[in-house]
This record gives sequence, C-alpha cells and structure tokens, in this order.
Amino acid sequence: QVHLQESGPGLVKPSETLSLTCTVSSGSINSYYWNWIRQSPGKGLEWIGEVYSSGNTNYNPSLKSRVTISVDTSKSQFSLRMTSVTAADTAVYYCARGVWRDLDYWGQGALVTVSS
Amino acid sequence: DIQMTQSPSSLSASVGDRVTITCQASQAIGNYLNWYHQKPGKAPDLVIYDASNLQTGVTTRFSGTGSGADFTFTISSLQPEDLGTYYCQQYDHLPITFGGGTTVEI
Repeated sequence: QVHLQESGPGLVKPSETLSLTCTVSSGSINSYYWNWIRQSPGKGLEWIGEVYSSGNTNYNPSLKSRVTISVDTSKSQFSLRMTSVTAADTAVYYCARGVWRDLDYWGQGALVTVSS
Repeated sequence: DIQMTQSPSSLSASVGDRVTITCQASQAIGNYLNWYHQKPGKAPDLVIYDASNLQTGVTTRFSGTGSGADFTFTISSLQPEDLGTYYCQQYDHLPITFGGGTTVEI
C-alpha cells in the first residue's frame, strides 16, 4: 500500500513562501505523476500542479507565476514551493500520486494557515 | 479551463435509496472523467476512473456512466458509510479541474 505524507510549516506569514514536502513510502516514485491539490476551508478542490518522476512539470495557470514543484527521486520525495502567499492561500494541501491523471493515492493533507 | 458543474450540490437520502449525481463539462471531454469520495476530515478517494471503471477495492454499489460532456454517478443502495462529498474531475485538458462537489447526507 503506497503511503504519502505531507510535511512543512503549518503557519506562514503573508508575502512569505510556503514550502511543503511529500514523502512517498511503500512504493516507487518512478514512472508516476506526483500532484499537489489544495482545498480551502469549506470549499472544493483546486489542482495546483504535477511533476513527473523525470522532473517534467505542469502547473495550473492561475498559480503558475508563484509555484514550483520539484522531485527528488533519491529521497522518494517531491516538493511544493509557493511564493508571495496571502490569506487566500490558507488551505489544506494534499499530495497525490497520479497514474496518468487518475489520482489514486493521497496524503492525509496538511493545513497551512497564512497569517501574521 | 474546462468548467465542471455538479448537481445537486447537496442531497439527503435514506439508507437503501438509489442516489444519482450528475456532472456536466463545459466542453466535450471524451471519457476522461473520474469520481472521488471524500469522507469528513479525510482525503478524497478515487472510486470511478475513465467515467465508468470501478477502482480496485471499491464497493460495487458505485457506478458511473457517460461520455462527451454529461456524466452520472450512481449509488445503487445507499449505506451509512457512503456519506460525504463526491467530486467529479476532468483530465482531458490541463489544468485538471474538479466539480464543486455533492454532499450526501443520510
């Protein structure tokens, strides 16, 4: 059973950078797409972007100017970096594995609050 | 972006009822449509992929149909563990987009 676990600060100040890491265990990181999705409090799901195990990335155009997703296959980890955050970026951030674009394994989610 | 419209946004039903949720895409997406079930406080679970295929280990009470722009998700006989919110997701074109969700109450 593949397991994904998000880690990173739960509180980020406005205008600063949000950084999260997802660690993949009990499965290979190779030959899959690795995704970040967020869910604002009481809201629906928003796809942030994906990185393939080779390092190729795709981003949601609405966030592309502020987001970087990277992968470190040697550590079985992939990461999200989002700059210039505001209160609107407060959300639960999920990492998920994509078999093509079927998101079949998800982390438990990490709540990130943007506040001074 | 492709907009995904789900209806209803919420519903209340009884154990044993047949429940149907619809999802409409703003343009044709073939069968590139998945359904997820999110229980309260948990991450979403993939339940249907490619519009009509049941994900491994998922109850056969769940089914999906449709192609093009109109899709349907059905629970044949509602059970207490089926409560939560259901989301459709298209992946025909990036960015991946989700419907607004349908909350099922029992």
